[in-house]
Amino acid sequence: AQSVTQPDIHITVSEGASLELRCNYSYGATPYLFWYVQSPGQGLQLLLKYFSGDTLVQGIKGFEAEFKRSQSSFNLRKPSVHWSDAAEYFCAVGTSGTYKYIFGTGTRLKVLA
Amino acid sequence: EPEVTQTPSHQVTQMGQEVILRCVPISNHLYFYWYRQILGQKVEFLVSFYNNEISEKSEIFDDQFSVERPDGSNFTLKIRSTKLEDSAMYFCASSVNRTPTGEQFFGPGTRLTVL
Repeated sequence: AQSVTQPDIHITVSEGASLELRCNYSYGATPYLFWYVQSPGQGLQLLLKYFSGDTLVQGIKGFEAEFKRSQSSFNLRKPSVHWSDAAEYFCAVGTSGTYKYIFGTGTRLKVLA
Repeated sequence: EPEVTQTPSHQVTQMGQEVILRCVPISNHLYFYWYRQILGQKVEFLVSFYNNEISEKSEIFDDQFSVERPDGSNFTLKIRSTKLEDSAMYFCASSVNRTPTGEQFFGPGTRLTVL
């Protein structure tokens, strides 16, 4: 069965520091991968997605993610974090043959001034 | 920019009562979804809906749940007899195309509290 693992429940970084949020998936074929962000009281906003092609994808708000098939990973990165990036981040996988997304448990990011 | 809207933002109900959660998907979208997130847990798929019928549902989506598109704009989730464990944030989503390539756009959620 497909699954998504986000190993880090909480991450704290200082403003201006770099960020990497980890995501590992389990799926036999090529997955369709997504990163969503959820700010307090808000819905889920898509940051970026990977379907095929270039394994480094650029998203909104200065985020990027790299698909590594050999590691079954799709880690999210940002070179310099802003205080407004404090939120919860969810990795999700979509697969052919189903309508659903499967989400990870999320990583809550705290940004120190 | 078009967005998915959900009402109410917070619903409090007594155990055993029926609740209806409402969603207005983006107008040209054809596929509709409900997910839920129990506090502190992952977002879980409940059901997808296309062409006026359920296209997929999870094991969570039992006989207590139903979905409906009563008119051209609304998409509703009904829970017939709520249980304490139904307390969660419920997200509606919609997409133009079928997943996985069809990006799902999520609403802000309805927080359901069952007392």
